Amino acid sequence: DIVMTQSPDSLAVSLGERTTINCKSSQSVLHNSNNKNYLAWYQQKPGQPPKLLIYWASTRESGVPDRFSGSGSGTDFTLAISSLQAEDVAVYYCQQYYSGPLTFGGGTKVEIK
Amino acid sequence: QVQLVESGGGVVQPGRSLRLSCAASGFIFNNFPMHWVRQAPGKGLEWVAVISYDGRVTLYTDSVKGRFTISRDDSQNTVFLQMNSLKAEDTAVYYCARDPLRGYGDFFDKWGQGTLVTVSS
Repeated sequence: DIVMTQSPDSLAVSLGERTTINCKSSQSVLHNSNNKNYLAWYQQKPGQPPKLLIYWASTRESGVPDRFSGSGSGTDFTLAISSLQAEDVAVYYCQQYYSGPLTFGGGTKVEIK
Repeated sequence: QVQLVESGGGVVQPGRSLRLSCAASGFIFNNFPMHWVRQAPGKGLEWVAVISYDGRVTLYTDSVKGRFTISRDDSQNTVFLQMNSLKAEDTAVYYCARDPLRGYGDFFDKWGQGTLVTVSS
């Protein structure tokens, strides 16, 4: 199984500041046949289901604000929030879909400082 | 708009069975693979099972193989999760989720609100 490791576990950020969340996979999720990274990011607010933010490591889902961006390749990935808003308080998860079983990172909790 | 509505959760004793349903609307159901993903209280997300868009392929996480069965009824736009021999560690909110691609396991673009399953004596 591919193990997904996120860091940090939690962070507190001031409103308007930039923050980044890291995700590392135990093996590469880059598919050589199409040069795509099989990596997605989700946001989960308290009491709500997860919401898809990013797929193919850097493609923003329709309707997701452009302050969210994904980057990285192979085994190391980053979710960036360029200017933190109050509504961004949530837990963020990465997920690989390179091979089964599908696996998630442990989550990163983002709070307001 | 796309809607996924789970039902069937509740409190059940260890060793007993439960059947979850997920009613879909707002999209052409038989074009999409469907998944179940669970989240134990206060914990992270765990993928459980997937059924292909045509129902021919099902895949499971190891911890539920032989106990859980995913199925779909395209006439009712519904996906099911039959859970047998339930254990305390199956306690979780169970989400159904849509897979936007035609593979056997991708990412999840739409999620239901979830249904809570509690396994306790």
